[in-house]
Amino acid sequence: AQSVTQLGSHVSVSEGALVLLRCNYSSSVPPYLFWYVQYPNQGLQLLLKYTTGATLVKGINGFEAEFKKSETSFHLTKPSAHMSDAAEYFCAVSKIDAGKSTFGDGTTLTVKP
Amino acid sequence: KAGVTQTPRYLIKTRGQQVTLSCSPISGHRSVSWYQQTPGQGLQFLFEYFSETQRNKGNFPGRFSGRQFSNSRSEMNVSTLELGDSALYLCASSPEGPTNGYTFGSGTRLTVV
Repeated sequence: AQSVTQLGSHVSVSEGALVLLRCNYSSSVPPYLFWYVQYPNQGLQLLLKYTTGATLVKGINGFEAEFKKSETSFHLTKPSAHMSDAAEYFCAVSKIDAGKSTFGDGTTLTVKP
Repeated sequence: KAGVTQTPRYLIKTRGQQVTLSCSPISGHRSVSWYQQTPGQGLQFLFEYFSETQRNKGNFPGRFSGRQFSNSRSEMNVSTLELGDSALYLCASSPEGPTNGYTFGSGTRLTVV
């Protein structure tokens, strides 16, 4: 079975500071990994995805994530936080025969002025 | 390019009633998945439809059902509503399946009273 653990249900940063949201996964086979963002009263939006190839993945809005197989991690980073980044972020894992994605519990990012 | 459209956005139903939710995926996407989102359980997979066939199913009771039409539009139905069915129901479309990454609709907020 595949699972995802997001470390820290709430993260608070100052505007302009580094954003780091942590995600660890377990999967018996090479996984497909995703980060989604959800703003209040909206659905989830795909930020970036890792399938195969380059382990550093760049996404939208200046976010990127690095796949580290040895650490089973897929942490999300952004060099400089903006007020508009305040939202809930979900890490997700999928595999070819799973038929679904398994989501973490989410991390709420607060950006302080 | 139109996004994923879910109707209605909000719904209030009485315990014991049934409800039908609708989802129009992105044009060309053949896979439609449904998720239930609640504060306590997070995002839970309901089912996936692909080319009018249910391809995968989550661990929900038989009161939850769905279907997909030839134009890829999908509906889900919940019969004999319970208070615990109150949730945000999210439809997610993808070209071939979850490993592509999802495009989510804004969801239907169902409240059971």
